[in-house]
Amino acid sequence: QKEVEQDPGPLSVPEGAIVSLNCTYSNSAFQYFMWYRQYSRKGPELLMYTYSSGNKEDGRFTAQVDKSSKYISLFIRDSQPSDSATYLCAMSTSGTYKYIFGTGTRLKVLA
Amino acid sequence: EAQVTQNPRYLITVTGKKLTVTCSQNMNHEYMSWYRQDPGLGLRQIYYSMNVEVTDKGDVPEGYKVSRKEKRNFPLILESPSPNQTSLYFCASGLSGATDTQYFGPGTRLTVL
Repeated sequence: QKEVEQDPGPLSVPEGAIVSLNCTYSNSAFQYFMWYRQYSRKGPELLMYTYSSGNKEDGRFTAQVDKSSKYISLFIRDSQPSDSATYLCAMSTSGTYKYIFGTGTRLKVLA
Repeated sequence: EAQVTQNPRYLITVTGKKLTVTCSQNMNHEYMSWYRQDPGLGLRQIYYSMNVEVTDKGDVPEGYKVSRKEKRNFPLILESPSPNQTSLYFCASGLSGATDTQYFGPGTRLTVL
């Protein structure tokens, strides 16, 4: 079993839809949770960063962490064609410099 | 402009021919890291460095070497490349590691024949 599981998609939604992207993990020691967006032929860029459990909102993006279920989510409201990209979740533990990434979910927002 | 640069961006080589992929950042970051990205496997960490002369293994270090002699540079060395090292490689840097944003370079696509 992989430490971090992420559905690869692709996920196609119409413009304006609410998108839900998810990752599950097995290591209960993870405390830092991140979502990266990666456009085709580009390096990943950080979208959201959350420490421990709870929600965090930034504009159209909301990140949720449920440590009891070992489940994290990224919600995108009012999705735009420019949101079409691969979304990667990533996790790390306190006191370490190692990151574990999910395989990424490819999202396509149709105009 | 704050950035992470990698060179070369594309490289085709043959088995056993030593190569180096350079990585440089201009943000005075202490933390730097190398990843490889493969279909179905995602991003996997190869090596990371917490500061000058301090490096450690990630999840897939076999067949790779790194060095950190200067803060801004973190080259990835493949002493004897093999076809299973064909991949897309990313360098990243951050202020101090797990609690900070990582900034990724544009990637190096390596093909080993």
